[in-house]
Amino acid sequence: DVKVTQSSRYLVKRTGEKVFLECVQDMDHENMFWYRQDPGLGLRLIYFSYDVKMKEKGDIPEGYSVSREKKERFSLILESASTNQTSMYLCASSLISSGRGKSTDTQYFGPGTRLTVL
Amino acid sequence: GEDVEQSLFLSVREGDSSVINCTYTDSSSTYLYWYKQEPGAGLQLLTYIFSNMDMKQDQRLTVLLNKKDKHLSLRIADTQTGDSAIYFCAERDGAGGFKTIFGAGTRLFVKA
Repeated sequence: DVKVTQSSRYLVKRTGEKVFLECVQDMDHENMFWYRQDPGLGLRLIYFSYDVKMKEKGDIPEGYSVSREKKERFSLILESASTNQTSMYLCASSLISSGRGKSTDTQYFGPGTRLTVL
Repeated sequence: GEDVEQSLFLSVREGDSSVINCTYTDSSSTYLYWYKQEPGAGLQLLTYIFSNMDMKQDQRLTVLLNKKDKHLSLRIADTQTGDSAIYFCAERDGAGGFKTIFGAGTRLFVKA
């Protein structure tokens, strides 16, 4: 089974702090994603990465950055946390499917990190 | 841009069937998914359907796809209290990109 783990289930930070959210997957997936989930808004894509050191902005990248130094690990960074970044953060990974015709590109999710910024 | 819409709430009695509906806008979608999220947990893939299929059945779950109307539904037969969760509809970007577009989620509440 695919396993996606996130470093913390719950996190409380203060405004202005730098926050690191870590995600690790053990299935050698090329693609990794960071979403935030807010009531009534569903999942919104922050950033995704399709290879080591490669990243693409999602729909709401402002206030966030990411790092992918190793294939299995994708980090989300809040340079200066603000109260409007209080949310549930979900990491996901998937196989690359373009050109291989085998994968549904199903995304597998971690358990989430509930971040509160005071 | 692409959009996925679903109603926010559904309430059913235990033992009844639940039908959760979803509409999407991307006519070139390749795969469509249903995910389940239980309280405090991440998203769990329930089932998926390829865009050239009309129906897929998996035990108590039936997925129906009307590609012409861009309408996807998930039917849960004999709904149980353990089925209470948020159900997300999602579509795979058909333009060869890496994105999956998610709906806002339908909260299913099963009354005992």
